[in-house]
Amino acid sequence: DAKTTQPNSMESNEEEPVHLPCNHSTISGTDYIHWYRQLPSQGPEYVIHGLTSNVNNRMASLAIAEDRKSSTLILHRATLRDAAVYYCILRDSGGTSYGKLTFGQGTILTVHP
Amino acid sequence: NAGVTQTPKFRVLKTGQSMTLLCAQDMNHEYMYWYRQDPGMGLRLIHYSVGEGTTAKGEVPDGYNVSRLKKQNFLLGLESAAPSQTSVYFCASSYGTTMSSYNEQFFGPGTRLTVL
Repeated sequence: DAKTTQPNSMESNEEEPVHLPCNHSTISGTDYIHWYRQLPSQGPEYVIHGLTSNVNNRMASLAIAEDRKSSTLILHRATLRDAAVYYCILRDSGGTSYGKLTFGQGTILTVHP
Repeated sequence: NAGVTQTPKFRVLKTGQSMTLLCAQDMNHEYMYWYRQDPGMGLRLIHYSVGEGTTAKGEVPDGYNVSRLKKQNFLLGLESAAPSQTSVYFCASSYGTTMSSYNEQFFGPGTRLTVL
């Protein structure tokens, strides 16, 4: 599986935008970029995913570099509830992958009031 | 909808004891997964199932067995628990189609297992 690299931790202030980077220089053409987050003492939850184009949903935006070797998860206005571990995951679209997720260590996001 | 539920929430075992963790989902998902998460680490896939009656090994399957007798349930068994199996166990499910690469996984709340 292609690997992702994320900063160990980041900090933000409440109501400010947060940009969480992810490097994936060995990404293949069939890999989707997924983001999940894990709030304290909870299971992970899906945030957003994309292939080539930038994506927006109610939770966040995903900006994907033109060469697809990096991406950025954007939280437009951080809240205290956004404090979590954020995982950037490459998901193979091949038929035998069965949607499996390979988690790295992720980025611990701290949000200050 | 309850989503994905896990039973029990906490358990303490002695080395050598056995137990079964139950995962249930009410979303009619084909695919189900068991992960473990050790302190400060990301989740690692233990076993998964792509449909009723099927199971397959993940990244760290040793010491665990699974069964999927009903579509909505996925059981994880530890036949002889070891301290190295102390972890938080998460179950997840997702739709199983040819578009599985971007079907989101829904996770349960986790089971915290301690093996003494």
